[in-house]
Amino acid sequence: AQSVTQPDIHITVSEGASLELRCNYSYGATPYLFWYVQSPGQGLQLLLKYFSGDTLVQGIKGFEAEFKRSQSSFNLRKPSVHWSDAAEYFCAVAPSGGYNKLIFGAGTRLAVHP
Amino acid sequence: DADVTQTPRNRITKTGKRIMLECSQTKGHDRMYWYRQDPGLGLRLIYYSFDVKDINKGEISDGYSVSRQAQAKFSLSLESAIPNQTALYFCATSDPRDVAYEQYFGPGTRLTVT
Repeated sequence: AQSVTQPDIHITVSEGASLELRCNYSYGATPYLFWYVQSPGQGLQLLLKYFSGDTLVQGIKGFEAEFKRSQSSFNLRKPSVHWSDAAEYFCAVAPSGGYNKLIFGAGTRLAVHP
Repeated sequence: DADVTQTPRNRITKTGKRIMLECSQTKGHDRMYWYRQDPGLGLRLIYYSFDVKDINKGEISDGYSVSRQAQAKFSLSLESAIPNQTALYFCATSDPRDVAYEQYFGPGTRLTVT
Protein backbone atom coordinates (compact mmCIF):
# COMPACT_ATOMS: atom_id res chain seq x y z
CA ALA A 1 0.00 0.00 0.00
CA GLN A 2 1.11 3.51 -0.65
CA SER A 3 2.33 5.45 2.34
CA VAL A 4 4.08 8.65 3.23
CA THR A 5 6.49 9.00 6.14
CA GLN A 6 7.54 12.24 7.74
CA PRO A 7 10.08 11.10 10.32
CA ASP A 8 10.18 14.34 12.30
CA ILE A 9 7.08 15.20 14.33
CA HIS A 10 8.48 18.45 15.69
CA ILE A 11 11.39 20.57 14.56
CA THR A 12 12.66 23.76 16.15
CA VAL A 13 15.02 26.11 14.35
CA SER A 14 16.31 29.59 14.97
CA GLU A 15 15.20 32.41 12.74
CA GLY A 16 17.64 32.77 9.89
CA ALA A 17 18.80 29.17 10.07
CA SER A 18 18.36 26.72 7.22
CA LEU A 19 15.61 24.13 7.24
CA GLU A 20 15.12 20.67 5.82
CA LEU A 21 11.94 18.66 6.37
CA ARG A 22 12.09 15.05 5.39
CA CYS A 23 9.54 13.05 3.43
CA ASN A 24 9.75 9.47 2.21
CA TYR A 25 7.12 7.64 0.25
CA SER A 26 6.33 4.07 -0.58
CA TYR A 27 5.00 3.55 -4.07
CA GLY A 28 5.91 1.36 -7.02
CA ALA A 29 6.07 4.06 -9.63
CA THR A 30 6.88 7.73 -9.50
CA PRO A 31 3.96 9.46 -7.85
CA TYR A 32 2.99 13.08 -7.94
CA LEU A 33 4.44 14.77 -4.87
CA PHE A 34 3.28 17.76 -2.87
CA TRP A 35 4.15 19.85 0.14
CA TYR A 36 1.35 21.70 1.91
CA VAL A 37 1.60 24.13 4.80
CA GLN A 38 -1.01 24.69 7.48
CA SER A 39 -0.69 27.84 9.53
CA PRO A 40 -2.48 27.96 12.89
CA GLY A 41 -6.22 28.14 12.39
CA GLN A 42 -5.90 27.97 8.62
CA GLY A 43 -6.55 25.47 5.89
CA LEU A 44 -3.83 23.88 3.82
CA GLN A 45 -1.91 25.87 1.26
CA LEU A 46 0.15 24.30 -1.48
CA LEU A 47 3.85 25.18 -1.27
CA LEU A 48 5.07 23.23 -4.27
CA LYS A 49 4.52 20.13 -6.33
CA TYR A 50 6.42 17.71 -8.49
CA PHE A 51 5.00 15.62 -11.28
CA SER A 52 7.69 15.50 -13.94
CA GLY A 53 10.79 17.22 -15.24
CA ASP A 54 13.42 18.92 -13.14
CA THR A 55 13.78 17.13 -9.83
CA LEU A 56 14.47 20.38 -7.96
CA VAL A 57 11.20 22.23 -7.57
CA GLN A 58 10.78 25.82 -6.51
CA GLY A 59 7.72 26.86 -4.53
CA ILE A 60 6.22 29.83 -2.82
CA LYS A 61 7.65 31.62 0.21
CA GLY A 62 11.23 30.70 -0.72
CA PHE A 63 10.78 26.94 -0.33
CA GLU A 64 12.21 24.29 -2.59
CA ALA A 65 12.11 20.50 -2.66
CA GLU A 66 14.15 17.86 -4.36
CA PHE A 67 12.80 14.57 -5.66
CA LYS A 68 15.27 11.72 -5.31
CA ARG A 69 13.95 8.60 -6.95
CA SER A 70 16.71 6.36 -5.59
CA GLN A 71 15.83 7.34 -2.04
CA SER A 72 12.06 7.65 -2.54
CA SER A 73 12.33 11.04 -0.93
CA PHE A 74 10.97 14.54 -1.49
CA ASN A 75 12.58 16.73 1.16
CA LEU A 76 11.56 20.33 1.64
CA ARG A 77 14.21 22.99 2.17
CA LYS A 78 14.53 26.67 2.90
CA PRO A 79 17.87 28.44 3.21
CA SER A 80 16.78 31.00 5.83
CA VAL A 81 13.71 30.53 8.00
CA HIS A 82 11.49 33.43 9.01
CA TRP A 83 9.36 33.51 12.17
CA SER A 84 6.25 33.44 9.96
CA ASP A 85 7.24 29.99 8.71
CA ALA A 86 6.14 28.47 12.00
CA ALA A 87 3.39 26.08 10.95
CA GLU A 88 2.66 22.44 10.28
CA TYR A 89 3.96 20.97 7.05
CA PHE A 90 2.48 18.02 5.24
CA CYS A 91 3.99 15.93 2.51
CA ALA A 92 1.49 14.19 0.23
CA VAL A 93 1.56 11.84 -2.73
CA ALA A 94 -0.93 11.04 -5.47
CA PRO A 95 -0.51 7.94 -7.61
CA SER A 96 0.34 8.99 -11.14
CA GLY A 97 -2.14 7.95 -13.77
CA GLY A 98 -4.84 7.16 -11.25
CA TYR A 99 -7.50 9.06 -9.48
CA ASN A 100 -6.34 12.26 -7.87
CA LYS A 101 -6.55 11.07 -4.29
CA LEU A 102 -3.90 12.37 -1.95
CA ILE A 103 -2.15 10.33 0.71
CA PHE A 104 -0.75 12.52 3.45
CA GLY A 105 2.08 12.11 5.86
CA ALA A 106 1.50 12.72 9.55
CA GLY A 107 2.96 16.20 9.37
CA THR A 108 5.95 18.04 10.85
CA ARG A 109 5.32 20.91 13.20
CA LEU A 110 7.91 23.66 12.83
CA ALA A 111 8.69 26.08 15.63
CA VAL A 112 10.93 29.09 14.98
CA HIS A 113 12.93 30.71 17.77
CA PRO A 114 13.80 34.40 17.49
CA ASP B 1 -14.13 35.74 -1.26
CA ALA B 2 -12.66 32.32 -0.53
CA ASP B 3 -12.91 29.73 -3.30
CA VAL B 4 -13.74 26.87 -0.91
CA THR B 5 -15.88 27.64 2.12
CA GLN B 6 -16.95 25.46 4.99
CA THR B 7 -19.75 25.93 7.49
CA PRO B 8 -19.77 25.92 10.41
CA ARG B 9 -16.17 26.72 11.31
CA ASN B 10 -16.58 25.39 14.82
CA ARG B 11 -19.18 23.08 16.29
CA ILE B 12 -19.71 21.40 19.62
CA THR B 13 -22.27 18.65 19.74
CA LYS B 14 -23.30 15.82 22.01
CA THR B 15 -22.91 12.11 21.53
CA GLY B 16 -25.73 10.64 19.47
CA LYS B 17 -26.67 13.85 17.70
CA ARG B 18 -26.85 14.11 13.92
CA ILE B 19 -24.69 16.82 12.45
CA MET B 20 -24.00 18.10 8.96
CA LEU B 21 -20.90 19.90 7.76
CA GLU B 22 -21.23 21.84 4.54
CA CYS B 23 -18.78 22.72 1.83
CA SER B 24 -19.25 25.08 -1.09
CA GLN B 25 -16.85 26.01 -3.86
CA THR B 26 -16.72 28.62 -6.57
CA LYS B 27 -13.78 27.11 -8.46
CA GLY B 28 -15.99 25.18 -10.86
CA HIS B 29 -14.22 21.93 -10.04
CA ASP B 30 -15.95 18.62 -10.53
CA ARG B 31 -14.05 16.73 -7.83
CA MET B 32 -14.62 17.26 -4.14
CA TYR B 33 -13.24 15.56 -1.05
CA TRP B 34 -13.77 15.32 2.69
CA TYR B 35 -10.81 14.70 5.01
CA ARG B 36 -10.39 14.57 8.74
CA GLN B 37 -7.24 15.65 10.50
CA ASP B 38 -6.11 14.17 13.78
CA PRO B 39 -2.88 15.05 15.58
CA GLY B 40 -0.08 12.72 14.55
CA LEU B 41 -2.14 11.14 11.77
CA GLY B 42 -2.18 13.80 9.10
CA LEU B 43 -5.23 14.01 6.88
CA ARG B 44 -7.26 10.94 6.04
CA LEU B 45 -9.80 10.70 3.26
CA ILE B 46 -13.41 10.09 4.31
CA TYR B 47 -15.32 10.40 1.01
CA TYR B 48 -14.71 11.78 -2.43
CA SER B 49 -16.91 12.69 -5.35
CA PHE B 50 -15.81 12.96 -8.97
CA ASP B 51 -19.10 14.44 -10.06
CA VAL B 52 -22.65 14.82 -8.81
CA LYS B 53 -23.50 11.19 -9.55
CA ASP B 54 -20.19 9.65 -8.52
CA ILE B 55 -19.51 9.29 -4.79
CA ASN B 56 -16.90 7.00 -3.32
CA LYS B 57 -15.78 5.90 0.09
CA GLY B 58 -12.34 6.82 1.30
CA GLU B 59 -10.22 5.03 3.86
CA ILE B 60 -12.29 5.98 6.92
CA SER B 61 -15.93 6.28 5.80
CA ASP B 62 -17.57 4.30 8.65
CA GLY B 63 -19.90 6.52 10.68
CA TYR B 64 -20.09 9.16 7.94
CA SER B 65 -22.28 9.82 4.92
CA VAL B 66 -22.16 12.46 2.21
CA SER B 67 -24.42 14.23 -0.22
CA ARG B 68 -23.41 15.99 -3.43
CA GLN B 69 -26.28 18.39 -3.93
CA ALA B 70 -24.72 20.19 -6.89
CA GLN B 71 -21.36 20.58 -8.53
CA ALA B 72 -20.55 23.30 -6.03
CA LYS B 73 -21.83 21.68 -2.83
CA PHE B 74 -20.69 18.62 -0.92
CA SER B 75 -21.99 17.89 2.58
CA LEU B 76 -20.68 15.51 5.21
CA SER B 77 -23.04 14.02 7.79
CA LEU B 78 -22.42 12.25 11.04
CA GLU B 79 -25.62 10.29 11.63
CA SER B 80 -24.93 9.65 15.31
CA ALA B 81 -21.87 11.50 16.50
CA ILE B 82 -19.42 9.83 18.86
CA PRO B 83 -16.50 11.35 20.78
CA ASN B 84 -13.80 9.79 18.58
CA GLN B 85 -15.18 11.81 15.68
CA THR B 86 -13.81 14.90 17.37
CA ALA B 87 -11.41 16.25 14.77
CA LEU B 88 -10.68 18.97 12.26
CA TYR B 89 -12.55 18.37 9.01
CA PHE B 90 -11.42 19.69 5.65
CA CYS B 91 -13.18 19.91 2.34
CA ALA B 92 -11.10 20.08 -0.84
CA THR B 93 -11.65 20.36 -4.57
CA SER B 94 -9.66 19.51 -7.67
CA ASP B 95 -9.93 19.85 -11.42
CA PRO B 96 -9.72 16.54 -13.31
CA ARG B 97 -7.98 18.37 -16.15
CA ASP B 98 -5.11 19.26 -13.81
CA VAL B 99 -2.46 16.64 -14.56
CA ALA B 100 -0.69 17.49 -11.32
CA TYR B 101 -3.74 16.66 -9.18
CA GLU B 102 -3.52 19.78 -7.05
CA GLN B 103 -6.23 20.04 -4.43
CA TYR B 104 -7.61 23.24 -2.97
CA PHE B 105 -8.65 23.21 0.66
CA GLY B 106 -11.26 25.00 2.68
CA PRO B 107 -10.44 26.56 6.06
CA GLY B 108 -11.67 23.56 8.03
CA THR B 109 -14.40 22.82 10.55
CA ARG B 110 -13.38 22.02 14.09
CA LEU B 111 -15.87 19.51 15.49
CA THR B 112 -16.04 18.52 19.14
CA VAL B 113 -18.29 15.67 20.25
CA THR B 114 -18.89 15.55 24.00
